[in-house]
Amino acid sequence: DAKTTQPPSMDCAEGRAANLPCNHSTISGNEYVYWYRQIHSQGPQYIIHGLKNNETNEMASLIITEDRKSSTLILPHATLRDTAVYYCIVKGGSRLTFGEGTQLTVNP
Amino acid sequence: DAGVTQSPTHLIKTRGQQVTLRCSPKSGHDTVSWYQQALGQGPQFIFQYYEEEERQRGNFPDRFSGHQFPNYSSELNVNALLLGDSALYLCASSFSDSFEAFFGQGTRLTVV
Repeated sequence: DAKTTQPPSMDCAEGRAANLPCNHSTISGNEYVYWYRQIHSQGPQYIIHGLKNNETNEMASLIITEDRKSSTLILPHATLRDTAVYYCIVKGGSRLTFGEGTQLTVNP
Repeated sequence: DAGVTQSPTHLIKTRGQQVTLRCSPKSGHDTVSWYQQALGQGPQFIFQYYEEEERQRGNFPDRFSGHQFPNYSSELNVNALLLGDSALYLCASSFSDSFEAFFGQGTRLTVV
């Protein structure tokens, strides 16, 4: 699975959009980009995934660049409950390879 | 739907002992994966079970073994515990090769 690079931490004001970047320059053509988050002391939670096109669901939007070497997870209106570690994962097989993620802190 | 359930939630063992952790997958899920998460790090893949067979394995020693039962529930066994085995052990279930994996709350293992 391709390696991902994420900033270790980010801050966001409550109610504003949170944009979390991820670099995955060695991604292969058949590998998907996944995002999970882990709230303190809980198991990781699936957020969204995509291959080439931008994706949106009730939780977030995923923007993947045309060359697929990077992506951005967007939480449109961050709340305090969105404070968590966010993991960007490139997945080709059935396993999830987690990095160290981005600690997002949403401030009141 | 109870989701993925793991037991016990916390466990303290002595170095050299053996431990068994249990996981019940989400209803309808046939694939179970186990992860180890050390403090401050992301989860690391241990192995995955499908149709009662180990389908894929991460970079963990043979002291880590598992089993999947006909009802898809699973066990993780760790022999000859080391202090470094202290971690949060997470179970994730999914339906075959579906995209979304659901994680349990984990078992916090402390080896003293």
